[in-house]
Amino acid sequence: QKEVEQDPGPLSVPEGAIVSLNCTYSNSAFQYFMWYRQYSRKGPELLMYTYSSGNKEDGRFTAQVDKSSKYISLFIRDSQPSDSATYLCAMSYNYNTDKLIFGTGTRLQVFP
Amino acid sequence: NAGVTQTPKFRVLKTGQSMTLLCAQDMNHEYMYWYRQDPGMGLRLIHYSVGEGTTAKGEVPDGYNVSRLKKQNFLLGLESAAPSQTSVYFCASSYSASSGRWSYEQYFGPGTRLTVT
Repeated sequence: QKEVEQDPGPLSVPEGAIVSLNCTYSNSAFQYFMWYRQYSRKGPELLMYTYSSGNKEDGRFTAQVDKSSKYISLFIRDSQPSDSATYLCAMSYNYNTDKLIFGTGTRLQVFP
Repeated sequence: NAGVTQTPKFRVLKTGQSMTLLCAQDMNHEYMYWYRQDPGMGLRLIHYSVGEGTTAKGEVPDGYNVSRLKKQNFLLGLESAAPSQTSVYFCASSYSASSGRWSYEQYFGPGTRLTVT
């Protein structure tokens, strides 16, 4: 079993929809949780990060962590065609880490 | 700042040939990484380095070697390429905690698409 599981999609939604992307993990020692966005034929870029449990909001994006369920989510409100990308979750045990554990990524397509 | 650059962008190799992928960063980062990305497999860590002159194995190190002779460069070598090494290779870099910056943010290069026939 992989440490981090992520549905690969693809997820296809109409413009304006609310999108929910999710990851589950098995190791309760993870403390930092990140979402990276990867456009086609580009390298991933950090989108958001959260520490431990709770929510974090940045514009149309909300990252949510539920450590009791070992489940993290990324919500995108009012989705736009420019949000079409692959979204990878990533986790680490502490901030002074030399490695991140990545999910496999979920491909999202937002059509006009 | 150019950020993280990778050379070459594309390459086609025959089985058994060797090649070196070059990664360069101009952000004075201590940590550097090499990943491969395959459909359905996500990003898998090949090797990484926590400082000049140091290297360590990641999740899938077999068939690859690395060197970090200068802080800004990280080289990935394939000594005898195999079709199973057909992939997209990404280099990334990040700060260490001792620099006073968060180290969870990795900065990625644009990738190298390698095909081994």
